[in-house]
Amino acid sequence: TQLLEQSPQFLSIQEGENLTVYCNSSSVFSSLQWYRQEPGEGPVLLVTVVTGGEVKKLKRLTFQFGDARKDSSLHITAAQPGDTGLYLCAGYSGAGSYQLTFGKGTKLSVIP
Amino acid sequence: EAQVTQNPRYLITVTGKKLTVTCSQNMNHEYMSWYRQDPGLGLRQIYYSMNVEVTDKGDVPEGYKVSRKEKRNFPLILESPSPNQTSLYFCASSPDGTYGEKLFFGSGTQLSVL
Repeated sequence: TQLLEQSPQFLSIQEGENLTVYCNSSSVFSSLQWYRQEPGEGPVLLVTVVTGGEVKKLKRLTFQFGDARKDSSLHITAAQPGDTGLYLCAGYSGAGSYQLTFGKGTKLSVIP
Repeated sequence: EAQVTQNPRYLITVTGKKLTVTCSQNMNHEYMSWYRQDPGLGLRQIYYSMNVEVTDKGDVPEGYKVSRKEKRNFPLILESPSPNQTSLYFCASSPDGTYGEKLFFGSGTQLSVL
């Protein structure tokens, strides 16, 4: 099983601050996804990145896939309390792969 | 509404008492999967099913069974639960499970085995 390491594990910041969450692996992934999970609910997909070097923006969230397709980052600008949650990265190892490997997650708390 | 439905949401049982957690999706998805989520360990895949004819083990299949008799349902069976199976379980589905597809998750089943 390919591993995805997420950092930091926990992050507590004030409203309005910026933050970056990292997702790293020694393995190449054909695609990488970011999910957000709120307490009592299942994860919800935020974005999928497929091409090395790809950057996608979702309002105040910016996602980047590393050139070598081994790492990814999630940057949040001007965090808001509504951004609070568990952020998970997940990767498919290859074309036709049916197994999605998840990182352990980053628990984000945004304090008003 | 398109959704993945798991039941029950909460379950407390005792060691050795067989149980089934049901999962149903109304999106006509081919691919379905079960995960367990534990603090410090993240989401780990138990079993997955590419279609009604193919089911395969994930990373942590020991102690679990699954069944895919029809496309919409994918129950998780614990024949003889043990305390180390206390966990939060999620069922998920996607159109055909290939890379890049969106995975739809259920709301989870919190299982406690005493």
